[in-house]
Amino acid sequence: DTGVSQNPRHKITKRGQNVTFRCDPISEHNRLYWYRQTLGQGPEFLTYFQNEAQLEKSRLLSDRFSAERPKGSFSTLEIQRTEQGDSAMYLCASSFQGPTNEKLFFGSGTQLSVL
Amino acid sequence: RKEVEQDPGPFNVPEGATVAFNCTYSNSASQSFFWYRQDCRKEPKLLMSVYSSGNEDGRFTAQLNRASQYISLLIRDSKLSDSATYLCVVRGFNKFYFGSGTKLNVKP
Repeated sequence: DTGVSQNPRHKITKRGQNVTFRCDPISEHNRLYWYRQTLGQGPEFLTYFQNEAQLEKSRLLSDRFSAERPKGSFSTLEIQRTEQGDSAMYLCASSFQGPTNEKLFFGSGTQLSVL
Repeated sequence: RKEVEQDPGPFNVPEGATVAFNCTYSNSASQSFFWYRQDCRKEPKLLMSVYSSGNEDGRFTAQLNRASQYISLLIRDSKLSDSATYLCVVRGFNKFYFGSGTKLNVKP
């Protein structure tokens, strides 16, 4: 499978615990995005990387959230001291930013439930 | 004001019907436009890009009106399998903005 891969698919955690999600993008893609989606809403932008550089972070991304893409390949999103309001689907998408129209391709997402 | 606004629906239509969805966007400098389809508890999947001249892919036709900042999607001869949420997506400067989606239910 050469699509975007995310794991775990589901994560249940207790309030206050730390969680980490992983995303493996499509190999030739140079951009990687993280989005969050709650029921009935569209995906909301969290952050994105061009290769290994994190170029933008949303104001939604509090200091409890951190994302890395150490070698410009896979990325991790960590949430520290989780709160019930963090419960959502966390979606990763990758794209190739080049001369033609950039398009996003999503992974299956990680569904986080904070109890 | 949200970057992308859509009617949430639901649109309940019989099989074979023609249905149209619209969305509006707020940033006149937006660069590219898309429709994504999302099934329940699944990830969004690219349905089609939207071009100024309008474009068609089988039963699906997308239109862009830059002057009115308005995007549309027309689905002809609806199938049961078209039931999903349709997300309008606008790309600004290095960021993609998603509408909340329009839910379509196609009934036998």
